[in-house]
Amino acid sequence: NAGVTQTPKFRVLKTGQSMTLLCAQDMNHEYMYWYRQDPGMGLRLIHYSVGEGTTAKGEVPDGYNVSRLKKQNFLLGLESAAPSQTSVYFCASSFDSRTDTQYFGPGTRLTVL
Amino acid sequence: AQKVTQAQTEISVVEKEDVTLDCVYETRDTTYYLFWYKQPPSGELVFLIRRNSFDEQNEISGRYSWNFQKSTSSFNFTITASQVVDSAVYFCALSEEGYSTLTFGKGTMLLVSP
Repeated sequence: NAGVTQTPKFRVLKTGQSMTLLCAQDMNHEYMYWYRQDPGMGLRLIHYSVGEGTTAKGEVPDGYNVSRLKKQNFLLGLESAAPSQTSVYFCASSFDSRTDTQYFGPGTRLTVL
Repeated sequence: AQKVTQAQTEISVVEKEDVTLDCVYETRDTTYYLFWYKQPPSGELVFLIRRNSFDEQNEISGRYSWNFQKSTSSFNFTITASQVVDSAVYFCALSEEGYSTLTFGKGTMLLVSP
């Protein structure tokens, strides 16, 4: 099992450009999450999904959109990137509840110039 | 309000020393879960332990041990005989039944020198 994978690993964008980050898990987990990690801030939840076709806002959702068309995939979109979105993005998944252990992907380092 | 506090921003020890990482949490729920994750320099987040609020037994796994005390709302993590490979940022996290988020502390950076 690959666990949780993220594509791409690194990306540099110019302000105003758009991009999509892909997260895939092969553990048949129901719940999936997108976090961002900034220095000194820990991890903050952007959006999450409790199952295929569902999404919900987390702590810092502004400027991001998500989609969960297939159970194993969770996409994070930036429609118009801003320098404040420079961060490391982590995807995670858990089996069937918010209190289950979350398993994380390797992260995507995004720089917005 | 911050619900997970890791007051130690950075700790430096010499190999073979024991080190304890502190975690204090705040919750009104009676059912909750506490976690520790390790983030080595390579950047991935590695799950270490999950503990529910009804289980106050201490946990030992090799050189790692965890002390959960509800009376002081603490879930501290001790590494015995530290090694250079233990150098990482360690995060404590809280999950509550009524909330969607896994709330992380800001992390403690542990540096183990040879």
